[in-house]
Amino acid sequence: GEQVEQRPPHLSVREGDSAIIICTYTDSATAYFSWYKQEAGAGLQLLMSVLSNVDRKEEQGLTVLLNKKDKRLSLNLTAAHPGDSAVYFCAVSHDSGYNKLTFGKGTVLLVSP
Amino acid sequence: GPKVLQIPSHQIIDMGQMVTLNCDPVSNHLYFYWYKQILGQQMEFLVNFYNGKVMEKSKLFKDQFSVERPDGSYFTLKIQPTALEDSAVYFCASSRLGGNQDTQYFGPGTRLLVL
Repeated sequence: GEQVEQRPPHLSVREGDSAIIICTYTDSATAYFSWYKQEAGAGLQLLMSVLSNVDRKEEQGLTVLLNKKDKRLSLNLTAAHPGDSAVYFCAVSHDSGYNKLTFGKGTVLLVSP
Repeated sequence: GPKVLQIPSHQIIDMGQMVTLNCDPVSNHLYFYWYKQILGQQMEFLVNFYNGKVMEKSKLFKDQFSVERPDGSYFTLKIQPTALEDSAVYFCASSRLGGNQDTQYFGPGTRLLVL
């Protein structure tokens, strides 16, 4: 089955720096890619999602890059601020099936002032 | 945004007992999901549910697990009997439709500890 690796597990940056999180996946049939943010005590909040025909998407200080050849998905938080401190998860799913998400292990991001 | 609620937030029970985890999904959503996350590991899909039926389940969804949503009330995950390895955080999610582009909205999780 699908395997998703996410790195780094922990990331510490200063306010204003960029933070990059990377996921790799194994199944070339993967069609839908998303990033979630989880703050303490809260559910997962969808940040951004892309289909497999999209290489790059930018929204509100976030950039998602998809490299299908290398089966790599990345999330770049440009100019991070302390409010971005949270756990970030990538999740992927296939065209077939019933919207079953396969998650990475998560990245704990700490943005210090 | 839309909110999914989960009750209780924490549950401690003795091995062999039954436990029911409750999920209050987004009101107009039709598809419901459970995911399991053991401490330090990935969140893993358990089951999805639509129109009163399980549509897909993973190998983690053991025979001791069952799901239902009677009369549009809570979407529940029941474990009977519980085992030590069931200790985990269980996340409920719901989506309006069941396509792969339909956003799943997640609850905050129920932390289950089986002693």
